[in-house]
Amino acid sequence: KNEVEQSPQNLTAQEGEFITINCSYSVGISALHWLQQHPGGGIVSLFMLSSGKKKHGRLIATINIQEKHSSLHITASHPRDSAVYICAVRLNYGGSQGNLIFGKGTKLSVKP
Amino acid sequence: EAGVTQFPSHSVIEKGQTVTLRCDPISGHDNLYWYRRVMGKEIKFLLHFVKESKQDESGMPNNRFLAERTGGTYSTLKVQPAELEDSGVYFCASSQVPPLSSYEQYFGPGTRLTVT
Repeated sequence: KNEVEQSPQNLTAQEGEFITINCSYSVGISALHWLQQHPGGGIVSLFMLSSGKKKHGRLIATINIQEKHSSLHITASHPRDSAVYICAVRLNYGGSQGNLIFGKGTKLSVKP
Repeated sequence: EAGVTQFPSHSVIEKGQTVTLRCDPISGHDNLYWYRRVMGKEIKFLLHFVKESKQDESGMPNNRFLAERTGGTYSTLKVQPAELEDSGVYFCASSQVPPLSSYEQYFGPGTRLTVT
């Protein structure tokens, strides 16, 4: 079992729908990242969270440290949101300054 | 400000050959990380530099992989000799050291390595 689990693995939505991607982790963390990867493209950092909630445009990320769970929400989804969304956590032990453990990603396809 | 850059973007080599990947971090970022995604799997950590020193190389798969960061600027990752299972996308990321940041990592576009 991975230390970071994402669900769903694949998600197809209609333009305008509200989307939620979930991430659960089993280790102690100092921060959680949500990343986006477009087909053939590099990785873009969307959010880094250690508590609470962050919002950027139509994207909202929340984290519950006690429950070891985070969600990424996309409001009013658009075809350009189609990408792989990756959850990654930074451990809070071992002294290493920030190497990440990644989930397998959620492939989102938004249809017009 | 330029982001993290990687070269080449794509490399196709034969089994047994040598390949060197390069990463140029964002200027002033002391932390540099190498990650790899092989087909169908999640991205995995390879190693972490702080300036020119290897802070953590626990993710390096074997001694066919050699990473360097001479002078604490750009880094190279050499695979010698390459094997079929080394195929994948190699990502580099960099971050500043607190208090300038909270270790938020900025990723490069990746190098897609295909070993035939």
